[in-house]
Amino acid sequence: NAGVTQTPKFQVLKTGQSMTLQCAQDMNHNSMYWYRQDPGMGLRLIYYSASEGTTDKGEVPNGYNVSRLNKREFSLRLESAAPSQTSVYFCATGGTQKSPLHFGNGTRLTVT
Amino acid sequence: AQSVTQLDSQVPVFEEAPVELRCNYSSSVSVYLFWYVQYPNQGLQLLLKYLSGSTLVKGINGFEAEFNKSQTSFHLRKPSVHISDTAEYFCAVSDPSGYSTLTFGKGTMLLVSP
Repeated sequence: NAGVTQTPKFQVLKTGQSMTLQCAQDMNHNSMYWYRQDPGMGLRLIYYSASEGTTDKGEVPNGYNVSRLNKREFSLRLESAAPSQTSVYFCATGGTQKSPLHFGNGTRLTVT
Repeated sequence: AQSVTQLDSQVPVFEEAPVELRCNYSSSVSVYLFWYVQYPNQGLQLLLKYLSGSTLVKGINGFEAEFNKSQTSFHLRKPSVHISDTAEYFCAVSDPSGYSTLTFGKGTMLLVSP
């Protein structure tokens, strides 16, 4: 199925551990995004990439890094996880008039 | 900067009743407006969008929304809800020059009971 694939679906980390969340899209869009979703907070943009080779900070970038590996893949890295980063992370692609944002199913991350 | 306010965090309704989920936005420029739905343990799906033209926008699953520029609102409505409409609904805004970076509201949980 065409769309956005995120791995892993679930992850538990201890404070200070690192990990990379993977995202791949097969919709041939230039733009890709990482959001986090917290109860009562809606979705907040962490980083986005308007095209291969470019990345920009969103609303809440602190504690995260990203890599736009190629047109299909956009990864999010937590170098030293903190409990405040417990959240559901969504990757998205699209963002044009003909194709608004299309989301993956999310990665549920718990940091203890 | 843009912002979105969803006035109700939770809306309980009975099956087959009408529902309205409220959304207000603030922006100093013209905007694009969206409603997304999130079913449990899933990502967000686009319900409908307003880019320009008719202020009444029809979406999937029988939902519609009306853009009101003077009241800076984009309320979502459905004349008769089903149990399967139970989900969280998000209003979002972007400006035409920066279409790709959406600002989301905090969400409204629609709870439909029999």
